[in-house]
Amino acid sequence: QKEVEQNSGPLSVPEGAIASLNCTYSDRGSQSFFWYRQYSGKSPELIMSIYSNGDKEDGRFTAQLNKASQYVSLLIRDSQPSDSATYLCAVGTGSYKLIFGSGTRLLVRP
Amino acid sequence: DTEVTQTPKHLVMGMTNKKSLKCEQHMGHRAMYWYKQKAKKPPELMFVYSYEKLSINESVPSRFSPECPNSSLLNLHLHALQPEDSALYLCASRLRGDTGELFFGEGSRLTVL
Repeated sequence: QKEVEQNSGPLSVPEGAIASLNCTYSDRGSQSFFWYRQYSGKSPELIMSIYSNGDKEDGRFTAQLNKASQYVSLLIRDSQPSDSATYLCAVGTGSYKLIFGSGTRLLVRP
Repeated sequence: DTEVTQTPKHLVMGMTNKKSLKCEQHMGHRAMYWYKQKAKKPPELMFVYSYEKLSINESVPSRFSPECPNSSLLNLHLHALQPEDSALYLCASRLRGDTGELFFGEGSRLTVL
């Protein structure tokens, strides 16, 4: 059973801090890794994709991938209250299906 | 342009009604997906079409019937639904079924009375 695990949270950080969201996956053959942000009642929005080991930065977001440890993370710098949402980690294994984690709820306190 | 358009945004139907959800993308993607999402849960895969052929059916009850008229359009026909089918129905598309980023539409919020 291929699995993607996330801490459900809530992860509470003060405004301006760095929020660190983590995700582990079970399938060593996984090839693609995605982070989605989902506001309550809305659809998931793709914010980052990463395919190779290391860091990938896009604005305030940095995705980090470590395939040896089967670990992918998302860092949000200078967190804003508008970043408060559920963050879904999704893993692609080369098949049609993406495996989703159950999501981490992030709360940024003003 | 990374847009997947879904209609209607909201749908209320009785258990004896027949209705359809529609999805459209113009990104040249060849794989299209239907997901169901309940509150505080991750999206749950229902169907995948790849090059207009049904590639995955995740043992979805027959009261849900997908259709892919062409590479840009995806429909989900609904008939004799149950109240527990009330959920957010998400359409998504991907360049190919096994590669690329998955982009979601805004979703159709379905309520079954």
